Amino acid sequence: EVQLVESGGGLVQPGRSLRLSCAASGFTFDDYAMHWVRQAPGKGLEWVSGISWNSGSLGYADSVKGRFTISRDNARNSLYLQMNSLRAEDMALYYCAKSTRGVTGAFDIWGQGTMVTVSS
Amino acid sequence: QSALTQPASVSGSPGQSITISCTGTSSDVGSYNYVSWYQQHPGKAPKLMIYEVSYRPSGVSNRFSGSKSGNTASLTISGLQAEDEADYFCTSYTSISTWVFGGGTKLTVL
Repeated sequence: EVQLVESGGGLVQPGRSLRLSCAASGFTFDDYAMHWVRQAPGKGLEWVSGISWNSGSLGYADSVKGRFTISRDNARNSLYLQMNSLRAEDMALYYCAKSTRGVTGAFDIWGQGTMVTVSS
Repeated sequence: QSALTQPASVSGSPGQSITISCTGTSSDVGSYNYVSWYQQHPGKAPKLMIYEVSYRPSGVSNRFSGSKSGNTASLTISGLQAEDEADYFCTSYTSISTWVFGGGTKLTVL
């Protein structure tokens, strides 16, 4: 079964850091680009960041550029999101999503998300 | 990058057809056929319904179809069913190698 399982969310104070992980299974992880998409409570979807199969192409939304870093470990079938200098507006459910191919592919498999709460 | 524009809500009766629009710019929807649509039921993860403007993933009902004209993409659902009631989001690849989502449309089946 194709599956993505996010972890690492939690309560964090403004200005602090958090690292999210996404464990992939059921498909050849290093064949596909991967993405992080977030959803604030009661709000819409926001693309956060994407990474190509070999980490050669990275992309970030303006709202997180310079603060968040996406990475992947193909040997461990895992995707990561290092989030620094967290702000109240970063509070959201963070989804890991698999691309149908490269970075221009649609997001065909989604995890259930991990919640990040930013509050003092 | 500004969000794509979708109507906040649409509604229709069972059996009817509805169309949800998604308007962007020449830097996203107008320049690429990398437009996709997602369905999200409350408390659930989004589900891919249409990719590359008009292609349906395996397992998605053929009642769902997509199209694009200029800077506007559209999702049409024919033969509305109660289970189609959900939020729908469009997204497009952009000229600066990012993705931008629409604000979402709540579909109510009357």
